[in-house]
Amino acid sequence: DIQMTQSPSTLSASVGDRVTVTCRASQSISSWLAWYQQKPGKAPKLLIYKASSLESGVPSRFSGSGSGAEFTLTISSLQPDDFATYYCQHYNTYPSFGQGTKLELK
Amino acid sequence: QITLKESGPTLVKPTQTLTLTCTFSGFSLSSSGVGVGWIRQAPGKALEGLALIYWDDDKRYSPSLKSRLTITKDTSRSQVVLTMTNMDPVDTATYYCAHSSVWLFSFDYWGQGTLVTVSS
Repeated sequence: DIQMTQSPSTLSASVGDRVTVTCRASQSISSWLAWYQQKPGKAPKLLIYKASSLESGVPSRFSGSGSGAEFTLTISSLQPDDFATYYCQHYNTYPSFGQGTKLELK
Repeated sequence: QITLKESGPTLVKPTQTLTLTCTFSGFSLSSSGVGVGWIRQAPGKALEGLALIYWDDDKRYSPSLKSRLTITKDTSRSQVVLTMTNMDPVDTATYYCAHSSVWLFSFDYWGQGTLVTVSS
């Protein structure tokens, strides 16, 4: 069973900062990785699929990269609306999620 | 446009069986490549994938919960049903259904979620 490990668990940043969240798989998963944003009380929102493809309607300040076992989500210039929790997700035999990264205002 | 909505009991007792229904519109679960999954989130915790069913009736389950889960589809009614047996207070969570496909292997449309509390 492939395990997904996100880091950091909490990230403090300011508006305008460039931030990166990392997701590591316990073994190679090719490029089958997605990233989601979740705000309190809301359903997750798909941001990135297939490691680096931007979902329609998602601002271009969001980008994803990586392959194999290490992946990153980058927000190039934080906006006030970006403070939320972010999850990575892999599909192997079933969909599994990382433990989440809470992005908070410094 | 694609919409999904979860329905079912808000409160179940320990040891009971939970049955949740996902009613969707804007797509057909008989279309090649399409899938619907169930994901849950305990209060203050991370997302947890539970089960996924595809257009061809292929079913995938979380290994840790497989013995307790059953996912089925009713294409004519545009519904997917998840049953979870032997409910426990630790199963208290918001349960989401979501649209997927074999081209994305991710969830691009989500329901609003339904909170299920397990308590006697």
